[in-house]
Amino acid sequence: DAEITQSPRHKITETGRQVTLACHQTWNHNNMFWYRQDLGHGLRLIHYSYGVHDTNKGEVSDGYSVSRSNTEDLPLTLESAASSQTSVYFCASSESRLSGANVLTFGAGSRLTVL
Amino acid sequence: EDKVVQSPLSLVVHEGDTVTLNCSYEVTNFRSLLWYKQEKKAPTFLFMLTSSGIEKKSGRLSSILDKKELFSILNITATQTGDSAVYLCAVEGQGAQKLVFGQGTRLTINP
Repeated sequence: DAEITQSPRHKITETGRQVTLACHQTWNHNNMFWYRQDLGHGLRLIHYSYGVHDTNKGEVSDGYSVSRSNTEDLPLTLESAASSQTSVYFCASSESRLSGANVLTFGAGSRLTVL
Repeated sequence: EDKVVQSPLSLVVHEGDTVTLNCSYEVTNFRSLLWYKQEKKAPTFLFMLTSSGIEKKSGRLSSILDKKELFSILNITATQTGDSAVYLCAVEGQGAQKLVFGQGTRLTINP
């Protein structure tokens, strides 16, 4: 069965360290997204990609970067982790559609704690 | 900037009650509104709404969209403890292929 996998599921790191969260999907979806979820804010979009070598900034992109070298993977990198980046991170993917709704399929989430 | 506001943020009811969750939105060139249910981990898809006045129904859950007043409601009848979750509303603008989410409504069903 197709799936979307995030790793690690839990990570504790220190302020200033570089952290990479992995996202791998076997749906063959063109679109991939990274969201963060914090109490009181719902899901906020960090970065997204519509295909290989395409990346775009979301509403809370400062301090984060992504790269898309193939269809399956969209790793999220925190260049220098800050305590404000303590959060639960969700990766999602969807088909590229010219019509119809963009139904996202989500990974299980990665809980990151920055001390 | 696209915006989604959900209310209430938190709701506690007894098993068997009926609940109504609200979602209002502002979006450039509306394309669709989606509802998700989130229990312990990943959000799971419930409904997609694109047209006003057409009710979507799945078991005890139903949802409807009003594109004139820019809101949607999610109804759950005869609630069960398994309905306890965070319910998320999201909108997509035309050509955007990305979703903007509201803050979510945390629903707790007490036995």
